[in-house]
Amino acid sequence: GAGVSQTPSNKVTEKGKYVELRCDPISGHTALYWYRQSLGQGPEFLIYFQGTGAADDSGLPNDRFFAVRPEGSVSTLKIQRTERGDSAVYLCASSLMPGDEKLFFGSGTQLSVL
Amino acid sequence: GENVEQHPSTLSVQEGDSAVIKCTYSDSASNYFPWYKQELGKGPQLIIDIRSNVGEKKDQRIAVTLNKTAKHFSLHITETQPEDSAVYFCAGPAGGTSYGKLTFGQGTILTVHP
Repeated sequence: GAGVSQTPSNKVTEKGKYVELRCDPISGHTALYWYRQSLGQGPEFLIYFQGTGAADDSGLPNDRFFAVRPEGSVSTLKIQRTERGDSAVYLCASSLMPGDEKLFFGSGTQLSVL
Repeated sequence: GENVEQHPSTLSVQEGDSAVIKCTYSDSASNYFPWYKQELGKGPQLIIDIRSNVGEKKDQRIAVTLNKTAKHFSLHITETQPEDSAVYFCAGPAGGTSYGKLTFGQGTILTVHP
């Protein structure tokens, strides 16, 4: 596609529920990132994929968060037992190749945990 | 890891004036400094970046300057226009990485009054 696509754009869930957020990167981009942005703050790194594998998951806050990219294109961020503190905008970004720092961001998924 | 501080948090200018946003960083080994523009409801968009082997880079009305000794870099926007109104983020590589794992500043809300 023309840009990074994220779905849904908004997700409202209840505390304790499971959610999945989807990211479709720019066609041909091999590197994919997830960031989280709280209100009034800059994005914070969560995880980085080179192809299908997670090369750096040091930003995931705890084991309730998990991400996959099984075919090296679309990625899904999964959050178990959601908490109110998980409410934020989850941003996905891609870059042409590993080692390329120029990130192209999607518009994000606004997650609200009630 | 890298710590990036950004000032001011808000900036209001008249159309046609210049705007300057400054960032400081902590890791002297950092070598890549991008600036992102984020409009309401959208993801950050890369507008200009600079590497540590260059002191200044310009692209039409925007420029970035880097002072490695003082560990600070600045975004300069000349002849501001209302469409420049947005949140601007500086960033630096997190933990000496050479891929898109970035530490972002806190953001500057720029308002350009017609």
